[in-house]
Amino acid sequence: QSVLTQPPSVSAAPGQKVTISCSGSSSNFRGNYVSWYQHLPGTAPKVVIYEVNKRPSGIPDRFSGSKSGTSATLGITGLQTGDEADYYCAAWDQSLRTWLFGGGTKLTVL
Amino acid sequence: QLQLQESGPGLVKPAETLSLTCSVSGASISNNDYHWGWIRQSPGKGLDWIGSFYYTRITYYNPSLKSRVTMSVDTSKTQFSLKLTSVTAADTARYYCVSGRPGVADSWGQGTLVTVSS
Repeated sequence: QSVLTQPPSVSAAPGQKVTISCSGSSSNFRGNYVSWYQHLPGTAPKVVIYEVNKRPSGIPDRFSGSKSGTSATLGITGLQTGDEADYYCAAWDQSLRTWLFGGGTKLTVL
Repeated sequence: QLQLQESGPGLVKPAETLSLTCSVSGASISNNDYHWGWIRQSPGKGLDWIGSFYYTRITYYNPSLKSRVTMSVDTSKTQFSLKLTSVTAADTARYYCVSGRPGVADSWGQGTLVTVSS
């Protein structure tokens, strides 16, 4: 069982907005090393958000990130069918000196 | 552009040692601004961090695997390796080598599937 908790699945229609939550303990999110990964079948995961709310080059601004207290959130607006994937949150827990991952959320674009 | 490529046996017997190598091109492992490490994904499950290191600094391991894991860098500094001892079926997974800035896996290899079976 993962230390960080994500909903198993979320869904929304094309063009709509979806949010994916990631919850843990206060120490898990004390630092700013929170990241989110998009994993399409048959490919390697790809980072879409790092340091809570930063987007790597090439990631559209439809993707956003935030954190508050014991949770972090990934937001995706203007959903496209190409966004269908598994999404994983991750946080570097400085107290535990451990990199924690969530169990993953399957996004379905209906 | 940084590229990572995993290699190693696809089949390991129970109780034996899993050994994988990650070949690095486009960057130097000796760059201490980046961490290097391994993440795995068991069939039907989520991502599981194994461990990470900075070249001349500390190495971090997943506490649940620490007693069985060793990571090292070869003298050419173009490859790093993973050894996982006393494997069981639970260690069957796709293993990815990764690299990146602190707290993020910017680059991933394509992954290599390792099956533990007799």
